[in-house]
Amino acid sequence: DTGVSQDPRHKITKRGQNVTFRCDPISEHNRLYWYRQTLGQGPEFLTYFQNEAQLEKSRLLSDRFSAERPKGSFSTLEIQRTEQGDSAMYLCASSPFFQWETQYFGPGTRLLVL
Amino acid sequence: SQQGEEDPQALSIQEGENATMNCSYKTSINNLQWYRQNSGRGLVHLILIRSNEREKHSGRLRVTLDTSKKSSSLLITASRAADTASYFCATRGNSGGSNYKLTFGKGTLLTVNP
Repeated sequence: DTGVSQDPRHKITKRGQNVTFRCDPISEHNRLYWYRQTLGQGPEFLTYFQNEAQLEKSRLLSDRFSAERPKGSFSTLEIQRTEQGDSAMYLCASSPFFQWETQYFGPGTRLLVL
Repeated sequence: SQQGEEDPQALSIQEGENATMNCSYKTSINNLQWYRQNSGRGLVHLILIRSNEREKHSGRLRVTLDTSKKSSSLLITASRAADTASYFCATRGNSGGSNYKLTFGKGTLLTVNP
């Protein structure tokens, strides 16, 4: 069990640029979640996949955000035309088909928009 | 939006002492979970308590749940310096589409001094 991995771990970009993050869930976990965490706050839900289907998107996920999970394996989260308010830690989590109530989190990608 | 509110926001104790953190939430839940986050790392699941349970133990952790007061507490006994981290409560709803995502509180920062 290699755990959830995220890449990159850190990203610094200029306002207006596009960024893409990748999440590799634990093998055979069919559920995948993205959360965003700002300083001093708990994580906030962004979106959820069951296999390749994106079943819910939070209102936090503006039209500049898009997430995909092709083939139900890894997932990408893209932010277009980044704004300074997008600076945060982006966390990915996965859970198995059985015992799905526990979510296993990756180390996160810390984004800084200058 | 944040569902839970942890109390206190920060707690500093000596090694060997017990640490108690509280969490209050707003809406009905299916279960409540506690997670730990070390500096710069992802969240680690500690314990899950269901809405029909009142108390649960796991090693040095004891969790209580009072659904009538919409509150939970996490007790860490005989604390160690390695317990220094932020602790978050997270709730899973029990209505329709919100029953898979977690809603986190703002967390309690615990510092255990050697």
